[in-house]
Amino acid sequence: GAVVSQHPSWVICKSGTSVKIECRSLDFQATTMFWYRQFPKQSLMLMATSNEGSKATYEQGVEKDKFLINHASLTLSTLTVTSAHPEDSSFYICSARLGLGTTSYGYTFGSGTRLTVV
Amino acid sequence: QKEVEQNSGPLSVPEGAIASLNCTYSDRGSQSFFWYRQYSGKSPELIMSIYSNGDKEDGRFTAQLNKASQYVSLLIRDSQPSDSATYLCAVKEEVQGNTPLVFGKGTRLSVIA
Repeated sequence: GAVVSQHPSWVICKSGTSVKIECRSLDFQATTMFWYRQFPKQSLMLMATSNEGSKATYEQGVEKDKFLINHASLTLSTLTVTSAHPEDSSFYICSARLGLGTTSYGYTFGSGTRLTVV
Repeated sequence: QKEVEQNSGPLSVPEGAIASLNCTYSDRGSQSFFWYRQYSGKSPELIMSIYSNGDKEDGRFTAQLNKASQYVSLLIRDSQPSDSATYLCAVKEEVQGNTPLVFGKGTRLSVIA
């Protein structure tokens, strides 16, 4: 149980185009979704926190106009990388806190999206 | 700035040995501590969570927490080649609530057959 489905698992796009990444909580309600980015051999860096029905909170240094986050329902959050450039190439992972409908205080992760911008 | 420190490794142990992974954190008010395993190209998967001082065992894994020393560790007994991965220590400032996890950079473990 408590699965977050993330799509696509990998994507290659041309510089200047936009890419949308979806994360769906399959059997629980994700009131909060966290979006991380991981560069090779680096740790997960929090980009933003999204709460259902409200604007996302971005970490310092993350451009909110470039990384658009939508969390319109309790089971779906999306991250859109707009006007992607090669330096945006990274591994993007969503994470939801287990809470509503579960008995755990842990966090579950999506399977990640490998974005390559050429 | 909340920080979580881990030795990046690689930590190499022979098959069947005990692997010891360590982590320190800067925020003395942290209340929740997690160990995640991450295989190359994959997302992290939760191994252990610990909230109270002392040891917590789950199969071959034992998490140890010492809040006074701001130190948390993970022991892997009878290490297997399949345990070879990067182990991420993560800290959260409370037990419940929606604050995000703060991750260390991870320790790469290599179990030699």
